[in-house]
Amino acid sequence: QQQVKQSPQSLIVQKGGISIINCAYENTAFDYFPWYQQFPGKGPALLIAIRPDVSEKKEGRFTISFNKSAKQFSLHIMDSQPGDSATYFCAAQEADRGSTLGRLYFGRGTQLTVWP
Amino acid sequence: NAGVMQNPRHLVRRRGQEARLRCSPMKGHSHVYWYRQLPEEGLKFMVYLQKENIIDESGMPKERFSAEFPKEGPSILRIQQVVRGDSAAYFCASSPRTGGAEQYFGPGTRLTVT
Repeated sequence: QQQVKQSPQSLIVQKGGISIINCAYENTAFDYFPWYQQFPGKGPALLIAIRPDVSEKKEGRFTISFNKSAKQFSLHIMDSQPGDSATYFCAAQEADRGSTLGRLYFGRGTQLTVWP
Repeated sequence: NAGVMQNPRHLVRRRGQEARLRCSPMKGHSHVYWYRQLPEEGLKFMVYLQKENIIDESGMPKERFSAEFPKEGPSILRIQQVVRGDSAAYFCASSPRTGGAEQYFGPGTRLTVT
């Protein structure tokens, strides 16, 4: 059972455009939502993260929008560049970690291609 | 400050052999998580360890898989009697604190079982 659902599976964007990747979850115990960027043959790199007490977080060209009532969050990449071409994963972590102590639940990933 | 290190980066094993994957966390980090990534899928949690302790192994198959994080040296994920279905990328992540929200990933070990 996929605890975090991610869409689209793949995305093609023109250089300079906006890339938008969406994730949804059901578990209301989740309280930390990171996004990871992964290039082929490399490990995932933490890109940006948000907690539910804010609705938006921006770092450079990357913005997370968070809708707690809808249990959805999204990554927006402004002015997309060919160097942004990678696979992006959303993830979630539970607040009351108890026995699950910090494990991350990942979406299936979105392969982003930015055409020059 | 060196990042998370994993070795080997690529490992080829025949069915029935043993695979040992090593992970050295970032300096100052004493919490290690192992994840497995199958093709076209996200990462799946396997096990969470602190020095000399397994904290949560609920994501790890009950048979053939084991993990340790000794007082000295790297964390090791061990797969005995490998089968083709074990072929995947195995990543470890380290965190500086318990249940760490921020997890930093290594480059992974790509295991191929022939």
